[in-house]
Amino acid sequence: ETGVTQSPTHLIKTRGQQVTLRCSSQSGHNTVSWYQQALGQGPQFIFQYYREEENGRGNFPPRFSGLQFPNYSSELNVNALELDDSALYLCASSVQGMNTEAFFGQGTRLTVV
Amino acid sequence: QQPVQSPQAVILREGEDAVINCSSSKALYSVHWYRQKHGEAPVFLMILLKGGEQKGHEKISASFNEKKQQSSLYLTASQLSYSGTYFCGTSGRANNLFFGTGTRLTVIP
Repeated sequence: ETGVTQSPTHLIKTRGQQVTLRCSSQSGHNTVSWYQQALGQGPQFIFQYYREEENGRGNFPPRFSGLQFPNYSSELNVNALELDDSALYLCASSVQGMNTEAFFGQGTRLTVV
Repeated sequence: QQPVQSPQAVILREGEDAVINCSSSKALYSVHWYRQKHGEAPVFLMILLKGGEQKGHEKISASFNEKKQQSSLYLTASQLSYSGTYFCGTSGRANNLFFGTGTRLTVIP
């Protein structure tokens, strides 16, 4: 089990609403990456945060935004939720520049109805 | 940017071997391999950084051909615990990891 924790574990939201997901990184890690994993698919890279700034982004619209805090924890915010946003959201923490392994949290299962 | 994995699925009997391939159309700086069991988070297996490098983890090993932008994961003498979906993740210099579509491995007694 890794030291990466995510909250909440499950969430149900209505289309059009906004949601905030949280991730605490593993001790000693300074980088957090967020992924969206639809059922039966691989994790899709949303963005990465390092030094409290976005450090790379995948093919996701601006309504997906994030924050990183001084303690390296991170938030993922999604505005104007759509049905297709229903997925497992994973965060992974790592050490920037070392190209070492990324450790994943257990994920947040988001259902949009 | 998403790498392509093959095969999509494979069924093995205990003790059999398997190879999972991962290829990218972009230049690769590293390849990461993960295994995910149903309902769980992906678990790190190994990372390969240099062209031609091979790494091992018990009876699981991998190779990375930087020139061909390909990596292969080798599972030998498979065990029931090897069942799961295997993902390769590839990164360029930006250190952003992009995952393939996955290979579902089922090991049966």
